[in-house]
Amino acid sequence: QKEVEQDPGPLSVPEGAIVSLNCTYSNSAFQYFMWYRQYSRKGPELLMYTYSSGNKEDGRFTAQVDKSSKYISLFIRDSQPSDSATYLCAMRGLEGSQGNLIFGKGTKLSVKP
Amino acid sequence: SQTIHQWPATLVQPVGSPLSLECTVEGTSNPNLYWYRQAAGRGLQLLFYSVGIGQISSEVPQNLSASRPQDRQFILSSKKLLLSDSGFYLCAWSVLSGGGTEAFFGQGTRLTVV
Repeated sequence: QKEVEQDPGPLSVPEGAIVSLNCTYSNSAFQYFMWYRQYSRKGPELLMYTYSSGNKEDGRFTAQVDKSSKYISLFIRDSQPSDSATYLCAMRGLEGSQGNLIFGKGTKLSVKP
Repeated sequence: SQTIHQWPATLVQPVGSPLSLECTVEGTSNPNLYWYRQAAGRGLQLLFYSVGIGQISSEVPQNLSASRPQDRQFILSSKKLLLSDSGFYLCAWSVLSGGGTEAFFGQGTRLTVV
């Protein structure tokens, strides 16, 4: 079983839709959870960062972490064509090699006007 | 504010030629530095990470090497490129204190080995 699983998509939605992106993981040592957005031929940029379980909201974006289920989600409300990108989940533990980020493979999202 | 510079943006190299990709970080001291490779459908693969000058850890045995000659400089090298070295190479930095923080990426180098 891979450490982080993420559906690669592609996911296509109409403008204004609510988008749900998800990752599951197997390592219970992961404590920090991140979502990155990557436009084509660009480096990933950090969108959301959460520690342990709970929700975090930033504008149209909400990140959820459920450590008991080893499941994290990113919700995008009122999606826009500019949200079209690949979304990568990432997570890490605390020390040593567990301190390095482990990435999902990314979900490609397309928001149609 | 912190910035990360990575160059070149695009590179086409023949098989067997050497490689040198450079990454520098500004606005922070003693960062952790990382080299990742991203291949289509395979996600981000950590190649090397460094917690200080001259300290390099390799995650995957391969045709590549890394060096950190200065605190905020990280270099990815190869003596002889293989076709399989083609990909999108990303440099990243983070500062680990206490529990740790997120990583920030450069804009990447797209390497095509022909």
